[in-house]
Amino acid sequence: DSGVTQTPKHLITATGQRVTLRCSPRSGDLSVYWYQQSLDQGLQFLIQYYNGEERAKGNILERFSAQQFPDLHSELNLSSLELGDSALYFCASSSRGDPHNEQFFGPGTRLTVL
Amino acid sequence: AQTVTQSQPEMSVQEAETVTLSCTYDTSENNYYLFWYKQPPSRQMILVIRQEAYKQQNATENRFSVNFQKAAKSFSLKISDSQLGDTAMYFCAFKGGGNRDDKIIFGKGTRLHILP
Repeated sequence: DSGVTQTPKHLITATGQRVTLRCSPRSGDLSVYWYQQSLDQGLQFLIQYYNGEERAKGNILERFSAQQFPDLHSELNLSSLELGDSALYFCASSSRGDPHNEQFFGPGTRLTVL
Repeated sequence: AQTVTQSQPEMSVQEAETVTLSCTYDTSENNYYLFWYKQPPSRQMILVIRQEAYKQQNATENRFSVNFQKAAKSFSLKISDSQLGDTAMYFCAFKGGGNRDDKIIFGKGTRLHILP
């Protein structure tokens, strides 16, 4: 158990819909990262937050957005969903105090768009 | 931009054998971390081993060891005495920036089958 929690575990929805994925980082970790794992693109970095502020952006679509709240949990919002958005979405967290800056991954949310 | 390449999409070995997974990467940075992650059928991402670029000594974790060749930008994973539980997808990964918290860049993965 990495200490990172993600809800829900599975999500099935239809094209055009909007969903919210939630992540709670390990206690004390200020950085949260979102990754998408799809069959064709592999594991790709989407976005990073540090203590409530956006730190870095990767290959995140404009239809996707994220935020990190004062209690440090983060949400990834996916809107106008397309079939190609079906993927496993991971959240990871890390602490600057960790000399290795290891990222601890949550169990993921599997999104299926029908 | 940094890239990570795993040239072996899939491999199969007999239980108890030794297997080596290949990985090459490209970066202009001097300080960085390299990782091997294991993803079993449960889909959980599990850190197997890490290597700091400034360390010349190859990292070892029990049956797992790496061959880190900085000049060649090569980072292979050796699994000794392979076990059925080692069956998984293995991802080579790069994190730049030295001690900065930074995103991880993953290779496409190698699917490893350990055969009984």
